[in-house]
Amino acid sequence: GAVVSQHPSWVICKSGTSVKIECRSLDFQATTMFWYRQFPKQSLMLMATSNEGSKATYEQGVEKDKFLINHASLTLSTLTVTSAHPEDSSFYICSAAGGWGEPSTDTQYFGPGTRLTVL
Amino acid sequence: DQQVKQNSPSLSVQEGRISILNCDYTNSMFDYFLWYKKYPAEGPTFLISISSIKDKNEDGRFTVFLNKSAKHLSLHIVPSQPGDSAVYFCAASDKGANNLFFGTGTRLTVIP
Repeated sequence: GAVVSQHPSWVICKSGTSVKIECRSLDFQATTMFWYRQFPKQSLMLMATSNEGSKATYEQGVEKDKFLINHASLTLSTLTVTSAHPEDSSFYICSAAGGWGEPSTDTQYFGPGTRLTVL
Repeated sequence: DQQVKQNSPSLSVQEGRISILNCDYTNSMFDYFLWYKKYPAEGPTFLISISSIKDKNEDGRFTVFLNKSAKHLSLHIVPSQPGDSAVYFCAASDKGANNLFFGTGTRLTVIP
């Protein structure tokens, strides 16, 4: 089955620094990747949708200059939290869709998540 | 390999009947399980959860059953309503770990 990895699984950083999170589809080519942030009560908020080779589409309220997304290849998308602040502390999850020619994004393969703590 | 699996990509149920969504997992260290509901262009919304110390948790029309020996959980929705039509994801975590492992989702369609 398809596997999506995230790196790192957890990171602690100082306020004002930037943090990069990688999302990789290990055994399939993902035409679309999604980035989510988990909020209290455990629901996931969709932050942005990225398609390989094009700019990410950000959801309303998500600062694109703060959360930089790069989808440089069909197997890698990165989320960079720039000038991180304590309020950015959260659990960030990516998912990938489009493997094996599936046109629908109903089937999403989730990464295991990255816990970001900003001191 | 996928540690959480939802083998049925889709399910159609008549309104008023019971919907049963299934999920299997392989990691015996998982001790907390969640179900999410997802509408298009939105993130998955938390629906219901269960700890491994229980075998059943009920919240209104939604009940989650956990069979640890079979490494299987299911979500029952009764009675099903057209507004329940969405993609449902199950997820599992290991207490103390940072990870949350999702299944690939099951699209539920409730037919009026």
